[in-house]
Amino acid sequence: NAGVMQNPRHLVRRRGQEARLRCSPMKGHSHVYWYRQLPEEGLKFMVYLQKENIIDESGMPKERFSAEFPKEGPSILRIQQVVRGDSAAYFCASSPYWDRNTGELFFGEGSRLTVL
Amino acid sequence: KNEVEQSPQNLTAQEGEFITINCSYSVGISALHWLQQHPGGGIVSLFMLSSGKKKHGRLIATINIQEKHSSLHITASHPRDSAVYICAAPPSGTYKYIFGTGTRLKVLA
Repeated sequence: NAGVMQNPRHLVRRRGQEARLRCSPMKGHSHVYWYRQLPEEGLKFMVYLQKENIIDESGMPKERFSAEFPKEGPSILRIQQVVRGDSAAYFCASSPYWDRNTGELFFGEGSRLTVL
Repeated sequence: KNEVEQSPQNLTAQEGEFITINCSYSVGISALHWLQQHPGGGIVSLFMLSSGKKKHGRLIATINIQEKHSSLHITASHPRDSAVYICAAPPSGTYKYIFGTGTRLKVLA
């Protein structure tokens, strides 16, 4: 049973380009969460998705950032017109369901975005 | 003040030492998560606990929900334990984990 798969592991973009980060959750998991880790900072919640639904995107910047989790295929975090401040590690996590007592998250290896 | 605070921020130990990392939180939670992150690497889940103590190999995690405090202990530390250890807590009723900034552990041979 493969873990959470993220790709690309490393992505370099120039300012103004678009970045697309993909996350395939663990088999059987229908809940996906994206977190951002800025250099020397802790992880911050961005968005929570279930299949075909955005449940909570309160942690995501209002502009340039979007996320989706289609019925088929991986979840995608899209950053348009990237700026240097978007340089960070983006982690995806998945869970089979949310339970406040047992809602353990399983994390991917992360995608490290560098904006030149 | 962060809602989840860890101490120490940095820790250097000699191989074989007993290590303790502390996590205090101000939000109401029902469970807390300990994670490990190697430099440039992914995040590995170590423990999720809501009460008492859990043990896995040389790692022990304890939590006191009333005192809003958790500790991660590493017995007989080894250089391969060198990593950043992160505690994370979802406020009760939500899935929005709040993460500590991590404790950077270096174990010297």
